[in-house]
Parts: sequence; C-alpha cells; structure tokens
Amino acid sequence: AQSVTQPDIHITVSEGASLELRCNYSYGATPYLFWYVQSPGQGLQLLLKYFSGDTLVQGIKGFEAEFKRSQSSFNLRKPSVHWSDAAEYFCAVGPRGGGNKLTFGTGTQLKVEL
Amino acid sequence: DTGVSQNPRHKITKRGQNVTFRCDPISEHNRLYWYRQTLGQGPEFLTYFQNEAQLEKSRLLSDRFSAERPKGSFSTLEIQRTEQGDSAMYLCASSLKVQSQGETQYFGPGTRLLVL
Repeated sequence: AQSVTQPDIHITVSEGASLELRCNYSYGATPYLFWYVQSPGQGLQLLLKYFSGDTLVQGIKGFEAEFKRSQSSFNLRKPSVHWSDAAEYFCAVGPRGGGNKLTFGTGTQLKVEL
Repeated sequence: DTGVSQNPRHKITKRGQNVTFRCDPISEHNRLYWYRQTLGQGPEFLTYFQNEAQLEKSRLLSDRFSAERPKGSFSTLEIQRTEQGDSAMYLCASSLKVQSQGETQYFGPGTRLLVL
C-alpha cells in the first residue's frame, strides 16, 4: 500500500533562514507528487507538483522541491523564510493512471520566529 | 477566478442527527473528490466522481455516508446518524482530468463538523 512519511511533525526556523521539509514515499511506481500548504482552519493550497521531466520544480511563494527517485523523496525547500510562511505543509502522492486519489503525509507544522 | 466553494463552513450537530454538506467545484472541472481530515492528520480520501458517476469509495465511507453529484456539477455529502467520531474537517477538491495528462486537485476551504 502506498504511504507518505513526513518525519518532522514540527519545525521552527528564524525568519530569513533557509527551510527544508522532508517527504518520503512508498509506492509501486513513480507517482505524481505534490506539496500543499494549509493555514489554520483553511483548505489546502497547492504549492507545487511533479509529474515528469526536470526533477527540480518551482512553485509559488518562492518554494521549490526536488524529486529523487533513488531516495523516494520529494523534499520542499525555500532559501529564505518569511513570517507569513508559518502554516502546516503536506506532501501528497497520486497514481499516474486511473483515479487520482491523493495519499497525504501527516504534515509538518512550521513555526517562524521573528 | 472562482475556486472551489463549500457550504456550510462550520456545522455543529447533536449525535444521531443527519447533516449534509455541499461542494461547488471549479466550473469546467470534471472530477470532484471528498476527503476527511481529523486533527493532526493529513486528509484521507473518501470518494470521487467523474462527471456524475461515483467511481471509487474508500472503506472509510461507511453506509452512513452517501455522496451525490447529480448533474456533474455540485456535489453533496450526507452523513446519517452522526457519531462523535465523525467530527472532522470535510474537504472537497476538483480537477480537470484530460487523458494522458497529469491531474491537479484544487481544494475548497472545507466544512468543519463538530458532533456533540
């Protein structure tokens, strides 16, 4: 069965510092990969996605993620964090064929210290 | 650009009551998904529609849960005889599935259900 692991439940960084959120997946084949962000009490906003091609993908708000097939990872990065980035971040995977129900990790809560 | 909308945003009900939630997808999207999110967890898939056809249901979707998308546009999710364990955020997402292309789901703001 497919699964997504986000090993860091909480991360605290200082504003202006760099950020890396980890995501590992277990899947039968290379899935589609996504990062979403959720502010308190809100729905999920898509940050970026990987379908194929260049393994370094750029997203909104200055985020990027790198797909590493050998490590089954899709880590999210940002070179300089802003206080408004404080939120919960979810990594998700979806199948390449058929229905595209997403399987989510448990999320990483990001706190930004001013 | 109108995104996915969900109503109501919040619902408080007593155990045993029935509740219904509505989701309006992005207008040209042919797929619509329902997820449930409990505190401290990621969303979990419940069911999805392609146009008006319900194509998959999760084992999480007990017989107290039913979903419809009668004309391939908006969808409703009904929970009968609610239980305290049904308290969660119910998220709707929509997507445009084009053959042989990747699919991206866009989420609504969710309906938060509290069962007393």
